[in-house]
Amino acid sequence: DAGVIQSPRHEVTEMGQEVTLRCKPISGHDYLFWYRQTMMRGLELLIYFNNNVPIDDSGMPEDRFSAKMPNASFSTLKIQPSEPRDSAVYFCASSYGTGTDTQYFGPGTRLTVL
Amino acid sequence: SQQGEEDPQALSIQEGENATMNCSYKTSINNLQWYRQNSGRGLVHLILIRSNEREKHSGRLRVTLDTSKKSSSLLITASRAADTASYFCATGPYSGGGADGLTFGKGTHLIIQP
Repeated sequence: DAGVIQSPRHEVTEMGQEVTLRCKPISGHDYLFWYRQTMMRGLELLIYFNNNVPIDDSGMPEDRFSAKMPNASFSTLKIQPSEPRDSAVYFCASSYGTGTDTQYFGPGTRLTVL
Repeated sequence: SQQGEEDPQALSIQEGENATMNCSYKTSINNLQWYRQNSGRGLVHLILIRSNEREKHSGRLRVTLDTSKKSSSLLITASRAADTASYFCATGPYSGGGADGLTFGKGTHLIIQP
C-alpha cells in the first residue's frame, strides 16, 4: 500500500484566499483524522471521521475551517478565507478498527499564508 | 491543557549511548503510543502499550507504563545517528471530547552526536 497520501505538499497563498488540502487514507481504514502542527501549540486534532461520517469537529478553530469526506478514499480540509495564523503543517492520518489504535500519518501539507 | 507532556524537551547524547524519554498524562487512558517524526516528515508509529500492560519491547525500544503515576518512558538502546528525530507520546482516547482519537504531547527532540 502507498500509505496515506496528501496533496499538495507545500502551499503558499495570500491572506483571504481559499485553500483546499487533500487526503487519501490507506485502503480499508475506517477512521480518518486531520491534525495541525505548529511550534507553539504542537499537534492538535482538528476533526475526525468514522466510515466517512464526521464524529468530532470540536478542534476546528473556527467557521473558516471545514472538512468533508465524500467517500472512503478521499477527504478535504478547506480554509476560507485563509489568514496568516493558519500557517502550519497539516497532517492527515488514518487507522483501522478503533479510533485510539495505531494511526498512520501522511507526509503533511506545509501551508504558508502571507 | 496538554494531556501528554514529554520530558525532556530536548536531549543530546553520543552515538551508542541509551536515550530515555518520559511522558506524563492526566486522565484515564486506553493505551499509550510513541511516535517518531523526522524533520519535515510525518509521524511514524513506534510502539503501543495498553493500559493493562506494564512493559513492552520492540527491537531497540523499550516502553514502560505506570498507570498509577500516569507516566510512561521510552528507552532507545545503543542509539544511532538515524535515531535523531522528535519523539511524541500519544494517549487515547482523545482528551478533547470525542471518544476516539489521540492526544499528542509536544515531543522530545533527540539528537544523536556521531
